[in-house]
Amino acid sequence: ETGVTQTPRHLVMGMTNKKSLKCEQHLGHNAMYWYKQSAKKPLELMFVYNFKEQTENNSVPSRFSPECPNSSHLFLHLHTLQPEDSALYLCASSQVLAVPKIFGPGTRLTVL
Amino acid sequence: AQKITQTQPGMFVQEKEAVTLDCTYDTSDQSYGLFWYKQPSSGEMIFLIYQGSYDEQNATEGRYSLNFQKARKSANLVISASQLGDSAMYFCAMSPTLMNRDDKIIFGKGTRLHILP
Repeated sequence: ETGVTQTPRHLVMGMTNKKSLKCEQHLGHNAMYWYKQSAKKPLELMFVYNFKEQTENNSVPSRFSPECPNSSHLFLHLHTLQPEDSALYLCASSQVLAVPKIFGPGTRLTVL
Repeated sequence: AQKITQTQPGMFVQEKEAVTLDCTYDTSDQSYGLFWYKQPSSGEMIFLIYQGSYDEQNATEGRYSLNFQKARKSANLVISASQLGDSAMYFCAMSPTLMNRDDKIIFGKGTRLHILP
């Protein structure tokens, strides 16, 4: 049990679809993160939320839209994705900003 | 610019032997933290160990220790008495520790460790 859960674990979608990734933590953490992990590339930070407020958008295309309705839940809304967006999307949380320590299992996304 | 370098894309080690995974970093910050994460084939990233730049002693957590050589900007992970379950991808990472900055942790490309029976 990692403490951070992500659903779905696997997702296959077409380029015209709209889908959402969900992340949930009940660790009492105040910061939550979305990372993208592509093959043979370092982990890339996408978004950071601190106390439900977005503090970082790391030049992510607008086809990725994050939402943080409360400090326990984080969503990543996807629409009109490209095949190069296929990757493992990892959610993480931490008590303190900038030091993620607990990661979720990830959602393996394939865009056809 | 900050950078993390892991020069070993893959390693094969016999079970019960000790393993050293290399990590070098580059930063102009005076205060920073260094991390190691383990990622099994199941996908989740597991935090292993942390070393602060001002910590005088090398961090240890069970079978994991971090060989911190600040002058050489090196933060190698040492796993003692390796086990089959240690087979995974290992990532070195660095983060500034100034809490008033919205900075991010940066990761190396990782080293895939294979433990042989």
